[in-house]
Amino acid sequence: QVQLVESGGGLVKPGGSLRLSCAASGFTFTDYFMTWIRQAPGKGLEWVSYISSGGVTIYYADSVKGRFTISRDHAKNSLFLQMNSLSVEDTAVYYCARVGILTGYCMDVWGKGTTVTVSS
Amino acid sequence: EIVMTQSPATLSVSPGERATLSCRASQSVSSDLAWYQQKLGQAPRLLIYGASTRATGIPARFSGSGSGTDFTLTISGLQSEDFAIYYCLQYNNWPPWTFGQGTKVEIK
Repeated sequence: QVQLVESGGGLVKPGGSLRLSCAASGFTFTDYFMTWIRQAPGKGLEWVSYISSGGVTIYYADSVKGRFTISRDHAKNSLFLQMNSLSVEDTAVYYCARVGILTGYCMDVWGKGTTVTVSS
Repeated sequence: EIVMTQSPATLSVSPGERATLSCRASQSVSSDLAWYQQKLGQAPRLLIYGASTRATGIPARFSGSGSGTDFTLTISGLQSEDFAIYYCLQYNNWPPWTFGQGTKVEIK
């Protein structure tokens, strides 16, 4: 079945770095745009980053621009988010989500998320 | 950036009753509006896209309507598993994709 599984979250000190991964299965990964979305504790959903199917077009939310880098590896059917210069405001559950083809450009499949905690 | 505003923040409903949730966009998003359900500790699940099309496997008691700037999610005959937080998302003008702040549907 269609599945996204995130990993790589953890506890990191302010100013530190983490690399999140998202393993895709059950669909043709190369056909789909992908995104990262996060949710701070007790808060709503915030779009973080987008990458086109071929990896050529990339966008970031202003809150992470210059600090986060999205990438994908088609050989591994995987999506990544390199997060540098982390601050306490980056503490959140990070979800990997597929941008649907038949559903327009909304996120139609989500992973269960990986938790990032930035604290000294 | 398009701002999405949901109301009310919390909706108290008895099982079996109807729940009506609203979402308003700061400018027209045509019909590029989706609704998600999120239960505690779980990822969001797509319910509705294109403002009114149910996603695969979503029960018929969930319905969406609206276009332009005003949208509604209606849950008819609320069941115990429907008590959750619901978010709207606009995907007409991106980046950024923008979500509403959510409506919590709780048991009355």
